[in-house]
Amino acid sequence: DADVTQTPRNRITKTGKRIMLECSQTKGHDRMYWYRQDPGLGLRLIYYSFDVKDINKGEISDGYSVSRQAQAKFSLSLESAIPNQTALYFCATSEDRGTSYNEQFFGPGTRLTVL
Amino acid sequence: DQQVKQNSPSLSVQEGRISILNCDYTNSMFDYFLWYKKYPAEGPTFLISISSIKDKNEDGRFTVFLNKSAKHLSLHIVPSQPGDSAVYFCAASLVNSGNTPLVFGKGTRLSVIA
Repeated sequence: DADVTQTPRNRITKTGKRIMLECSQTKGHDRMYWYRQDPGLGLRLIYYSFDVKDINKGEISDGYSVSRQAQAKFSLSLESAIPNQTALYFCATSEDRGTSYNEQFFGPGTRLTVL
Repeated sequence: DQQVKQNSPSLSVQEGRISILNCDYTNSMFDYFLWYKKYPAEGPTFLISISSIKDKNEDGRFTVFLNKSAKHLSLHIVPSQPGDSAVYFCAASLVNSGNTPLVFGKGTRLSVIA
């Protein structure tokens, strides 16, 4: 089984709809992240959480919100989806210390299309 | 302002030859650098990393070189294989400042031609 899972894997929705993307991990990591990938723009950080009580905005948090329901779960919400939020979304996890120096482990991604 | 730059969006290399992917950064405080590889329809996977206290790290066919004075790192793949065709992301972080989130470049698409 995959260590970092994302649901759904694909989603098509309409402008104005509320969408939630979910991420679960079995790696036991404290840190979790949400990124989006757009062609030619690489991976851009939306939000990150260093533990259950910690939520931080990333580079492009406008239009998004997150919830860290448990150590293993980190969800991303689009309160009112708009077409320029069409992208590939990745969840990632990492340890907060140890020899895996900030190495992040990524989920398989969610392809979101907003019409 | 982009802190991690990969100025070549794409690179084509013949099978068996060397692939060199380049990455530049602007923040001299970055002290840990990573390369990730991404196939279509999959998440990025960690490939190799280097600490700022080193100038070279090797893992099989993959070697990363770091030139701190130039704020430049490169990934060498020798010999290149068709299975290496993917998008490669360079990333940097501030480990000694509390493990800040990684900052990624825009990626370079490598095509290895058989």
